[in-house]
Order: sequence, then C-alpha cells, then structure tokens
Amino acid sequence: QVQLVESGGGVVQPGRSLKLSCAASGFTFSSYGMHWVRQAPGKGLEWVAVIWYDGSNKYYADSVKGRFTISRDNSKNTLYLQMNSLRAEDTAVYYCAREFTGTYYYDSSGYRKSGAFDYWGQGTLVTVSS
Amino acid sequence: SYELTQPPSVSVSPGQTARITCSGDALPKQYAYWYQQKPGQAPVLVIYKDSERPSGIPERFSGSSSGTTVTLTISGVQAEDEADYYCQSADNSGTYTVIFGGGTKLTVL
Repeated sequence: QVQLVESGGGVVQPGRSLKLSCAASGFTFSSYGMHWVRQAPGKGLEWVAVIWYDGSNKYYADSVKGRFTISRDNSKNTLYLQMNSLRAEDTAVYYCAREFTGTYYYDSSGYRKSGAFDYWGQGTLVTVSS
Repeated sequence: SYELTQPPSVSVSPGQTARITCSGDALPKQYAYWYQQKPGQAPVLVIYKDSERPSGIPERFSGSSSGTTVTLTISGVQAEDEADYYCQSADNSGTYTVIFGGGTKLTVL
C-alpha cells in the first residue's frame, strides 16, 4: 500500500535551518510529482512547493521562495524540503503529498496546473521559536 | 493575490444534505478538488476535477461547478462526515501555484 512518512521536524530558532524528509513506499516514486503542503496550528492548508517526477521542474509558494528548496532522490524513494532562514510564521505541520496521476492539466491558456493530491503523509511538526 | 472563498461553517442534521461552496474568479477555467480533514489526521481527497470521485469515496459525496462557484454536496450526511473541508484550485496566471480555500467546518447536529 502507498505510504508517505515524513521526518525531520522539531523545534528550531528563527533564522536557522531544518531539512525535512518524506520516505515513499508502495508505488513507483519516480513516476509521480510530489508536493509539500503545510498547516499552521488551528489554520488551513497552505501549499509550499512541487517537484516534477524527474526533478526537472520545481515551483514554490511566494511565502517560501528563496528560503526553501524542494528536492528528491528517486534512487532512495525520498522527497526533501530544505528550509533556511526560518521564521515564526513557518511554524506548521508539514505534509508531503503525491500528485494523483492524470489529474494535472493544461488550462485554456496552455499553462500547466496542479492535479489533486491522492496520498498524504501523517505530517511532521516544525516549530520555529526562540 | 488570488483567493478561494469558503463559508467558515455549515451545519446539518444526520440524513440531510450538506452543501459546501467555494468561490473564485478563475474557477470557470480551472478545475477544483475537495479534501476532507478530521482532527489530527491528514487530508483525504474526496472529489477531483470538479466532480470525479476517487475510488473508495462513498457515493454520497459529489461535486459540481457553476460559473465562479464549485460545490461539494454530501447527501444523507452521517456523523462520521463531521470534518473540515477544503477546496483546492489554481489561478489563471502563467505562474504555477496551488491555492486552497480557507476551509469549512461541517458540523453534524
């Protein structure tokens, strides 16, 4: 069965770095786009970043652009999120999520848009606090 | 920046029909997806591409689209459907981004 297991969360001081991992199993990891989505305590979902199945394209939310880096190692079936210059507002549960095959699309203007997220990990909590 | 607007809360009695809306100017041109999230759990996809239901999701969950509003309908609501529901979509710009609505708390009375 499909499993996504995040790790690497914890308490970190503002301005410091942290690297999250997401170990995938039960499917051909190298065939799927992967995302990070976060949820601040008591708040809604916020998309963070995406990486194409082969790592060829990466996109970020404006709130993390220039500070966070998404990457993957298909030989290890693992997704990563390197988070630098952390801020208090980055405090959240971070989920990795798989993009549902066949649900991404190109809109009428020819721009590629995200598909749905069909599997999610259980999340890892990142707390940024001094 | 682009936003998807959901009502903060919806309440229904068991067996009734719950309708949760999500509004956004780009929705006529972009697909919407819906997720259910129960406390302490990860979200679960319940509708994709406006109205498609993933395997394993009960038939009482359905989705529809009309103009700038998409709607998640839960027919014959059960106590276990009490959860937060989020819509997801995209804007019409050339920038790749993913937008979530603010979420709707469904209460089963």
